[in-house]
Amino acid sequence: DAGITQSPRHKVTETGTPVTLRCHQTENHRYMYWYRQDPGHGLRLIHYSYGVKDTDKGEVSDGYSVSRSKTEDFLLTLESATSSQTSVYFCAIKGEGDTQYFGPGTRLTVL
Amino acid sequence: AQSVTQLGSHVSVSEGALVLLRCNYSSSVPPYLFWYVQYPNQGLQLLLKYTSAATLVKGINGFEAEFKKSETSFQLTKPSAHMSDAAEYFCAVSKGYGNKLVFGAGTILRVKS
Repeated sequence: DAGITQSPRHKVTETGTPVTLRCHQTENHRYMYWYRQDPGHGLRLIHYSYGVKDTDKGEVSDGYSVSRSKTEDFLLTLESATSSQTSVYFCAIKGEGDTQYFGPGTRLTVL
Repeated sequence: AQSVTQLGSHVSVSEGALVLLRCNYSSSVPPYLFWYVQYPNQGLQLLLKYTSAATLVKGINGFEAEFKKSETSFQLTKPSAHMSDAAEYFCAVSKGYGNKLVFGAGTILRVKS
């Protein structure tokens, strides 16, 4: 357990609505990541952060934005959710030895 | 671009049999390599990590992995499967600045009694 929580854990929303997912960590890690998990694709990186207000795009960043105003919180926003964004979203931190540790995930369904 | 290929989306073994899961990666330089396990409706748990110190790496729950540079492969094994090993296993490679992970598609391990 790397002290990572994600909220909400489950969410159902409608196409076109904005959605924000929160990742919270308690151990002051500098690097945080957002991934999405889809069958047949494993996990794919959406965005990551290397410090407060420092973020960069990952492999599948289109349609997503992120913000990090405090070390402990990393927010993922879907400005206008689409059905293709139905997925399980995982947050991770980079811990000791460059190893990433994952949160419990958020299951998002876009109808 | 870095890619990771897991051979076999589903693997089935009998309880007590050898578990062998295969992972190939594309890289000219040995990267950091990881195996993660995911139990149903849970997050990912680190099984083990390779960082070039040795070719054989021991992990948790009796798993170990062998790195073969000449084959660019990273095989996960366990001598004797247990029912509790049934889960999905992911191989991942750490890539570039920010240590971003590139994952394979995953292998679902089924253990038969």
